[in-house]
Amino acid sequence: DAGVIQSPRHEVTEMGQEVTLRCKPISGHNSLFWYRQTMMRGLELLIYFNNNVPIDDSGMPEDRFSAKMPNASFSTLKIQPSEPRDSAVYFCASSPTSGREDEQFFGPGTRLTVL
Amino acid sequence: LAKTTQPISMDSYEGQEVNITCSHNNIATNDYITWYQQFPSQGPRFIIQGYKTKVTNEVASLFIPADRKSSTLSLPRVSLSDTAVYYCLVPNYGQNFVFGPGTRLSVLP
Repeated sequence: DAGVIQSPRHEVTEMGQEVTLRCKPISGHNSLFWYRQTMMRGLELLIYFNNNVPIDDSGMPEDRFSAKMPNASFSTLKIQPSEPRDSAVYFCASSPTSGREDEQFFGPGTRLTVL
Repeated sequence: LAKTTQPISMDSYEGQEVNITCSHNNIATNDYITWYQQFPSQGPRFIIQGYKTKVTNEVASLFIPADRKSSTLSLPRVSLSDTAVYYCLVPNYGQNFVFGPGTRLSVLP
């Protein structure tokens, strides 16, 4: 099993540009999570999908952020327009069940730098 | 709100047992306690989860007293590769996990 796959691993862009982060969860997993990690705020949950349906997006910072899960094997997190304060490491995680307390398997992360 | 408190950092030497205690005074009746480990430049990794008393796996042990207001992660005979940040997690009243700052463990030779 390849684990959770994220792309790109590193992204450098300029303020105002659109950024799309991609995630392929572990096959057979029902839940998918997007997190953001910074030194100042630590690891924050942005949005949580269960069976491809967004269940809780209360962590999405503002309308510039959007996430989709068109099928069980793919999800995107889009930032449009990007701002320097969006610079962070973005993690995708998946879980084999719908329980929020169940083990989550994290991907390697995407390090985003917005200049 | 369910909230956890754990030391910001700890130092240890190779071969020692390390115990990291987490306080969660407002834990709900049905909540489990979960610990994750994060190495630099990697995503967090699940270590262990428990509800009460003691849980042990190949990596660690988790001790939970009867009142469940705290828990202790025990790492036996740590090595340099155990240097990482350790997060204690309790659901936020059945909602999503809130990762706090964790405990930064430094294992020295």
